[in-house]
Amino acid sequence: DVKVTQSSRYLVKRTGEKVFLECVQDMDHENMFWYRQDPGLGLRLIYFSYDVKMKEKGDIPEGYSVSREKKERFSLILESASTNQTSMYLCASSPSPYSGNTIYFGEGSWLTVV
Amino acid sequence: QQQVKQSPQSLIVQKGGIPIINCAYENTAFDYFPWYQQFPGKGPALLIAIRPDVSEKKEGRFTISFNKSAKQFSLHIMDSQPGDSATYFCAASIRYGGSQGNLIFGKGTKLSVKP
Repeated sequence: DVKVTQSSRYLVKRTGEKVFLECVQDMDHENMFWYRQDPGLGLRLIYFSYDVKMKEKGDIPEGYSVSREKKERFSLILESASTNQTSMYLCASSPSPYSGNTIYFGEGSWLTVV
Repeated sequence: QQQVKQSPQSLIVQKGGIPIINCAYENTAFDYFPWYQQFPGKGPALLIAIRPDVSEKKEGRFTISFNKSAKQFSLHIMDSQPGDSATYFCAASIRYGGSQGNLIFGKGTKLSVKP
């Protein structure tokens, strides 16, 4: 089974703190994604990566950055957390973009910024 | 043109009922239409998907109906059970689209099936 692991399930951070959300996948997938999920707004793509050290902006990249130093690991960084970044964050991965589009999600990281 | 519009936002049915969730899209280049199911506290998981060369696909109690001319597709859950209570997301993308092939998600439908 494909496994996408988000190491932190629940975090509480203070406004202005730097926050790291880590994600690891074990299926040698080329693509990795970070989404944000909010009630009524669905799943919004923050950043994605098609290869190591490559990244592309999604629909809502403002206030976020990402890092992909190894193929299996994709980190989401909030440089200076703000209360409007309180949300559930979902990491996902998928095989080559040329092999179809099924993506596999982790279980989510609930972030509260106070 | 990249949006996928999903309705209703929430849905309550009795056990055994047939909830129907609808989605509409604009981009005629989309050729892959999956549905994801998300239980509370979990990430979404692929439930069923359809390609536009067929009008219907069934997997167990779940059926996707696809209307290419209307650019609409829907999910039907036959004989719904309380265990089907979850949030359902439709999505669309261009298969083999490379960097342009990211899934575009609808905003989700929260389904509650009452015993």
